[in-house]
Amino acid sequence: EPEVTQTPSHQVTQMGQEVILRCVPISNHLYFYWYRQILGQKVEFLVSFYNNEISEKSEIFDDQFSVERPDGSNFTLKIRSTKLEDSAMYFCASSEVIEEQFFGPGTRLTVL
Amino acid sequence: AQSVTQPDIHITVSEGASLELRCNYSYGATPYLFWYVQSPGQGLQLLLKYFSGDTLVQGIKGFEAEFKRSQSSFNLRKPSVHWSDAAEYFCAVGARNTDKLIFGTGTRLQVFP
Repeated sequence: EPEVTQTPSHQVTQMGQEVILRCVPISNHLYFYWYRQILGQKVEFLVSFYNNEISEKSEIFDDQFSVERPDGSNFTLKIRSTKLEDSAMYFCASSEVIEEQFFGPGTRLTVL
Repeated sequence: AQSVTQPDIHITVSEGASLELRCNYSYGATPYLFWYVQSPGQGLQLLLKYFSGDTLVQGIKGFEAEFKRSQSSFNLRKPSVHWSDAAEYFCAVGARNTDKLIFGTGTRLQVFP
């Protein structure tokens, strides 16, 4: 069964460093998303991406964040200068139609 | 404001017992409703979804959920729980005019033999 994959599973970085989280969506999907879950809190929507551009973003998704689909298979989330409060589990999702999003296993980001 | 509430943070049941996980939502538009399950180290797996029509929806792994508009609820049920059902369960709401899903805080299910 096709699935969304994410790498790395765990990323540790120093505050102020740039990180790139990678996702490989399901191959025939057209919509891509990033969500995050700070420990003990809700899963929160960050951004959706369709047709090579951001479709929707939340207030969390400020100028420190960017997304890219650099080739036909990967979908990345870049955090330009990490803060302590960026420590969270980041989930990538993809969908063929918006209503049914398939999630990856997540990348745990720890900012020291 | 749009929100999803899962009142039970942690539920413990015996294997073979019935299960009901509660979910209440507040949403201005006609909601799409979802239940996801997350096992340790795994992603969020879609159990079932409701868009319209029959208010009782069947999902995978023997789960079902009932949409009750008058109560703004979408409770998840299973008649007989298996030890492998131990996981975290998330209710989520979406809508036609938005890409995002709004999640509840989750309910952790523990199953005793």
